[in-house]
Amino acid sequence: DTVMTQSPDFLAVSLGERATINCKSSQSVFYSSNNKNYLAWYQQKPGQPPKLLISWASTRESGVPDRFSGSGSGTDFTLTISSLQAEDVAVYYCQQYYSTVTFGQGTKVEIK
Amino acid sequence: QVQLLQSGPEVKKPGSSIKVSCKASGDIFQKNSIAWVRLAPGQRLEWVGGIIPSLDLPNFAQAFQGRVAFSADKSANIAYMELTTLTPDDSAVYYCAKGGSDQSTIDFFDSWGPGTLITVSA
Repeated sequence: DTVMTQSPDFLAVSLGERATINCKSSQSVFYSSNNKNYLAWYQQKPGQPPKLLISWASTRESGVPDRFSGSGSGTDFTLTISSLQAEDVAVYYCQQYYSTVTFGQGTKVEIK
Repeated sequence: QVQLLQSGPEVKKPGSSIKVSCKASGDIFQKNSIAWVRLAPGQRLEWVGGIIPSLDLPNFAQAFQGRVAFSADKSANIAYMELTTLTPDDSAVYYCAKGGSDQSTIDFFDSWGPGTLITVSA
């Protein structure tokens, strides 16, 4: 199975500052025939199910604030929150769907 | 907006089985898959598998092969996951989720149920 490794495990950021979460896959999730990366990002708050933020590495889901952005290709990906808000406190997961489905271990984001 | 409603929490004995239901609002079973993902305490999200209801086509994570079954009642828009030979390691919140693409169980998931807490204890 493709192993997804996120860094860091925990991130404390001041309100209004940038938060950056990295995700590395053990094998490429880029499919050259359609030029797509099979990588998604989710946000999970306590007591709630995960919420899809981004699919195809950089396509923001409808209704997701534009302070959330995804980038990267192949094996290395990044989720950026450009200006952290109080409501962004959550655990963030990356997920690959190129070969079966596997998730990263999660990154907990808190306010500094 | 699709809503997924799941059955309630359960406590099971080791060695027993559990069947969890997921009812979808709207007619998503024609095009989309329903996946099952679990979150155990201190663990990462884990894909159990899923089904394309319109094709009755299941797909399983290797770790659960032989122990899990997926089904769907297309007339009622309800999907089911049955997990057998339960152990305490199966204690987790089990989520159903809708596949974001058409006709694929290997997918991202754009709508999630609230989760069903399954506790396995003697």
